[in-house]
Amino acid sequence: GQQVMQIPQYQHVQEGEDFTTYCNSSTTLSNIQWYKQRPGGHPVFLIQLVKSGEVKKQKRLTFQFGEAKKNSSLHITATQTTDVGTYFCASTPYQLIWGAGTKLIIKP
Amino acid sequence: DTAVSQTPKYLVTQMGNDKSIKCEQNLGHDTMYWYKQDSKKFLKIMFSYNNKELIINETVPNRFSPKSPDKAHLNLHINSLELGDSAVYFCASRQLAGGPYEQYFGPGTRLTVT
Repeated sequence: GQQVMQIPQYQHVQEGEDFTTYCNSSTTLSNIQWYKQRPGGHPVFLIQLVKSGEVKKQKRLTFQFGEAKKNSSLHITATQTTDVGTYFCASTPYQLIWGAGTKLIIKP
Repeated sequence: DTAVSQTPKYLVTQMGNDKSIKCEQNLGHDTMYWYKQDSKKFLKIMFSYNNKELIINETVPNRFSPKSPDKAHLNLHINSLELGDSAVYFCASRQLAGGPYEQYFGPGTRLTVT
């Protein structure tokens, strides 16, 4: 069946460094969504990408959808403590497939 | 107003007991879900209901039984609880017909089986 592989599982960064998480699928995705889950919280929708090669920005967050619609990435520039949490990708619209999540950890 | 609410927030119980978790959404969405999130944070979809009809039923022990009395409510009943059932259970909803497809999650129910 369709799977979405998300890497890395964890990323430790110093505050101010950049962070990137990747999602890859062996099949073409209709579109992809990204969610953030803060520690102790619930997943919160960030964005949806639909078009091949689409790039969207939300302040320091940049989301990309690959040309072949088989991969996506989320890049955070100059991480802050408020960015801490687990970031999930999920394929849509009908058959929901979730990535395993990437946990962003800020080194003390 | 809370968009997706769950009760209870915490549930501590002993093995062998039966318990229920309730979920309500006031967003007018046509589809609701139950997810299980274990200690490794992996989100596993358990069930999905669309307009009160079961549309996704993943490989879940039949001790878990969902019930949707109307499209705004999706409850989860668990029989004969086991230690491995300890996890956080999330309810979620979204609009499948016509989109925009983003999911709204409830705050979660942390179930601890002792």
